[in-house]
Amino acid sequence: NAGVTQTPKFQVLKTGQSMTLQCAQDMNHNSMYWYRQDPGMGLRLIYYSASEGTTDKGEVPNGYNVSRLNKREFSLRLESAAPSQTSVYFCATTPGTGISYEQYFGPGTRLTVT
Amino acid sequence: EDQVTQSPEALRLQEGESSSLNCSYTVSGLRGLFWYRQDPGKGPEFLFTLYSAGEEKEKERLKATLTKKESFLHITAPKPEDSATYLCAVRGSGYSTLTFGKGTMLLVSP
Repeated sequence: NAGVTQTPKFQVLKTGQSMTLQCAQDMNHNSMYWYRQDPGMGLRLIYYSASEGTTDKGEVPNGYNVSRLNKREFSLRLESAAPSQTSVYFCATTPGTGISYEQYFGPGTRLTVT
Repeated sequence: EDQVTQSPEALRLQEGESSSLNCSYTVSGLRGLFWYRQDPGKGPEFLFTLYSAGEEKEKERLKATLTKKESFLHITAPKPEDSATYLCAVRGSGYSTLTFGKGTMLLVSP
């Protein structure tokens, strides 16, 4: 099992360009999350999907959109990239049932916006 | 609003020198406290979940404990391979999201 996979691993964009970060999981988990991690700021939640067909804003949603394509896939889109969106982006999943809410993370996408 | 504060921000130990990392939290109805390890350039790796005060979990040289206000990650006789950033997170009542602390960067020297 691959667990949580993210593509691409690295990306450089120019200001104003758009791109989609892909996340897929083979853990049959219900809930999926997108975070960004910046030095000194910790992990901040961008958007999440508690279950297939639902999405909700997190702490820092501005400038992003998401799509929960099916149970396995959750994508994050930057419509018009800005230098402030330079960060490392992590996708995570959790069983999201009963008391099991530990999250499992992908390897990350390192994005630079120039 | 849930809050998590980790201390110290960075900790340098000699191999074999035991110590503890602290995670202080405020949450409305704790539904889980989570510890993660993150190596440079990688995603966080899940270590433990603690649910109630007095609970303890162990894995190799790591032991996590929980009180009503804080959690400790005790590292016994650390080795250089224990060097990483350790993250703490909480889940409050009614939420399906976690609130993370900023982490403690641990460096263990041979």
